Amino acid sequence: ILNVEQSPQSLHVQEGDSTNFTCSFPSSNFYALHWYRWETAKSPEALFVMTLNGDEKKKGRISATLNTKEGYSYLYIKGSQPEDSATYLCAFRGNLIFGKGTKLSVKP
Amino acid sequence: NAGVTQTPKFQVLKTGQSMTLQCAQDMNHEYMSWYRQDPGMGLRLIHYSVGAGITDQGEVPNGYNVSRSTTEDFPLRLLSAAPSQTSVYFCASSYSDREFFGPGTRLTVT
Repeated sequence: ILNVEQSPQSLHVQEGDSTNFTCSFPSSNFYALHWYRWETAKSPEALFVMTLNGDEKKKGRISATLNTKEGYSYLYIKGSQPEDSATYLCAFRGNLIFGKGTKLSVKP
Repeated sequence: NAGVTQTPKFQVLKTGQSMTLQCAQDMNHEYMSWYRQDPGMGLRLIHYSVGAGITDQGEVPNGYNVSRSTTEDFPLRLLSAAPSQTSVYFCASSYSDREFFGPGTRLTVT
């Protein structure tokens, strides 16, 4: 059984803080790593699909990096805003194996 | 495009009842899947399909059946509902490694 671990489980930051969280996954048989943003009462929304070691993707204030050799990906949020409050999920592709998510709360 | 649609949005069942959760997509995606979401467990794959006529089990398939007679539809059947199946169910379709999720069905089994 593949394990995808995310840390921390939850994070509380002040508006304007920059933050990052981690996704760890098996480094063997890597195909792709997905990041999703999931707001309460909505469905998960795709942020990034990362496939190559050293990949770095950016969408506005959110960026992600990938290290397939050591089996981790970081998601960074620069200058957090209250609207960034959500659960951030990573998922390891074969069939998607999801981590449990990092719940981010941004206080105004 | 409507994307991925799921019905119903909410359902309450008694133990032992059967029901079908409907999922449809209008994007002509070959790959479709069902997940359940439980507190502290993230999303777990129940069943998936790589095309019409082809289905396979995911991580937590017990108690669920699926079929895929058309590209558009991928219904999930609970033959005899149990309280352990109380969850939020998400259907998704996928193209080029991008997953599109439906709005979810919240199921309570009493």
